[in-house]
Amino acid sequence: DQQVKQNSPSLSVQEGRISILNCDYTNSMFDYFLWYKKYPAEGPTFLISISSIKDKNEDGRFTVFLNKSAKHLSLHIVPSQPGDSAVYFCAANSGAGSYQLTFGKGTKLSVIP
Amino acid sequence: NAGVTQTPKFQVLKTGQSMTLQCAQDMNHNSMYWYRQDPGMGLRLIYYSASEGTTDKGEVPNGYNVSRLNKREFSLRLESAAPSQTSVYFCASTLSGINYEQYFGPGTRLTVT
Repeated sequence: DQQVKQNSPSLSVQEGRISILNCDYTNSMFDYFLWYKKYPAEGPTFLISISSIKDKNEDGRFTVFLNKSAKHLSLHIVPSQPGDSAVYFCAANSGAGSYQLTFGKGTKLSVIP
Repeated sequence: NAGVTQTPKFQVLKTGQSMTLQCAQDMNHNSMYWYRQDPGMGLRLIYYSASEGTTDKGEVPNGYNVSRLNKREFSLRLESAAPSQTSVYFCASTLSGINYEQYFGPGTRLTVT
């Protein structure tokens, strides 16, 4: 039973346009969400996060939106750059002292110059 | 400051052989984790150590053992490798369980023939 779902395995976007990566979750106990970026042959690196008490968090070109009622979050990258081409993982934590992150399967973003 | 380091980077084993994957962090983090990533899958937690002296099973612990040698080091052992354990293994650490942003090592690519 997949608790964190990234239904788009891949996404292609033109350089300079907006990239929108989506993530859905089923576990209502999740209250903290993270996005990780992964280049080939490297470990994932933390990108941005959001707590369930917020509905938006921005960091430069990256914005994460959380819709708790729909159990949906999205990562917006504006403007997209070729260096953003990577696999993006959505992850969730249920808080309450839980040490575990639950990851989605990832979305491969290709930014075309 | 090297962050999280893993050795080896690559390993080929025959079915039934044993080996230990090493992980070390120099960020004075309390919690450490071992994940595996398979093609088309997200990261799945094998074992974690919330703090020095403790270890707990994650989502996919069968066939693995771990040792939290000290605060810096967390090793993963395959006692009798199986082809199903062919995967990329990532070690991660975080300051504590309530800091959800985990920092990952570069990974170990393991092939079991």
